[in-house]
Amino acid sequence: AQTVTQSQPEMSVQEAETVTLSCTYDTSESDYYLFWYKQPPSRQMILVIRQEAYKQQNATENRFSVNFQKAAKSFSLKISDSQLGDAAMYFCAYSSPNNAGNMLTFGGGTRLMVKP
Amino acid sequence: GAGVSQTPSNKVTEKGKYVELRCDPISGHTALYWYRQSLGQGPEFLIYFQGTGAADDSGLPNDRFFAVRPEGSVSTLKIQRTERGDSAVYLCASSGNRGYNEQFFGPGTRLTVL
Repeated sequence: AQTVTQSQPEMSVQEAETVTLSCTYDTSESDYYLFWYKQPPSRQMILVIRQEAYKQQNATENRFSVNFQKAAKSFSLKISDSQLGDAAMYFCAYSSPNNAGNMLTFGGGTRLMVKP
Repeated sequence: GAGVSQTPSNKVTEKGKYVELRCDPISGHTALYWYRQSLGQGPEFLIYFQGTGAADDSGLPNDRFFAVRPEGSVSTLKIQRTERGDSAVYLCASSGNRGYNEQFFGPGTRLTVL
């Protein structure tokens, strides 16, 4: 079974600074997807960024980028120029095309606080 | 609205009662998922529908939990004989096709069992 681990229950960053959230995972699959989701107090999960395991290039979406280390099974999220609206819970997640429906396996989450 | 909607937003019930939670997916999305998020944890998969059929219900914790999607659109998660341990946020998500497609989540239903 696949597992996803987020070792940082809480992180804090100063507005306009950069922060990195950590995620490790365990799988025996060679083909899979990794995601970072943001969950604000409204509870609605929002996809931040996605990485396909077969792609060597790290995904980037505006201020958000990942550091994907496949051999180390590590998938960290870097948020640059942090904004107050970035404050939320962040979840790392995994899915595999070998699982019917690509259901997501989530980590335990990291609460990000942004200080003005 | 074009997003996934869930009703009710909050549900408080007493131990032993029956509850139904509803999910309206994005129009045209064939795949629908239910996840359960306990306090302070990440969501856990419960069940996945492709069209009208439950393609994978391996995440349902026991036989008190059941879900249907009779017309391939709206889904209802049903919990019988609720227990205090069932208290959680129940999230629904939908996506467009088989293979990878982004899952779009609803705002969830917070269930509290007293």
